[in-house]
Amino acid sequence: ILNVEQSPQSLHVQEGDSTNFTCSFPSSNFYALHWYRWETAKSPEALFVMTLNGDEKKKGRISATLNTKEGYSYLYIKGSQPEDSATYLCAFSETGTASKLTFGTGTRLQVTL
Amino acid sequence: GAVVSQHPSWVICKSGTSVKIECRSLDFQATTMFWYRQFPKQSLMLMATSNEGSKATYEQGVEKDKFLINHASLTLSTLTVTSAHPEDSSFYICSARSIILAGVDNEQFFGPGTRLTVL
Repeated sequence: ILNVEQSPQSLHVQEGDSTNFTCSFPSSNFYALHWYRWETAKSPEALFVMTLNGDEKKKGRISATLNTKEGYSYLYIKGSQPEDSATYLCAFSETGTASKLTFGTGTRLQVTL
Repeated sequence: GAVVSQHPSWVICKSGTSVKIECRSLDFQATTMFWYRQFPKQSLMLMATSNEGSKATYEQGVEKDKFLINHASLTLSTLTVTSAHPEDSSFYICSARSIILAGVDNEQFFGPGTRLTVL
């Protein structure tokens, strides 16, 4: 069983704060690491798909980095806004079964005014 | 683009009855659909993978006779929980993948999920 862990489990920040969370995954047989943003009662929305060691991707105020050798990825949110409140999921896939995603339990972010 | 819907969004049923959940890709053709479930405070766990027109592939520990999956068209997959029991109460969510949209990243597009409660 593949082990994908996310920390912290939940996070409460104030508007304007920058924050980051971690996803750790197996460092062998790596294929891709996916980040999703999941608001309550909505569909998980894909943020990033990362495939190369050292990759850094950015989408507005959100960015992510990837270290496949040590098996971790960081997601950063700069200047958090209330609309960033959601659960952020990471999912790992390995070579040979690239379409099969193994998810972490998510980091629940709450941004208050 | 790439919208996936699920119906119903929630359902309550009596123990022993069967429940069908639909997953539709609204604006693309989904060659592959995936069914996940999530128990409280746990991660999304893949139950099965289905390719249009062929039998679903179930993950270890998932009973194929209990969770019937049909993927008869490129835009619709259904999951039927047969003879549901309280321990089947969970959040079921589907995702869909298109060969054209997925590319090398194998991106999946998710539905909003279905909350099943079995009394």
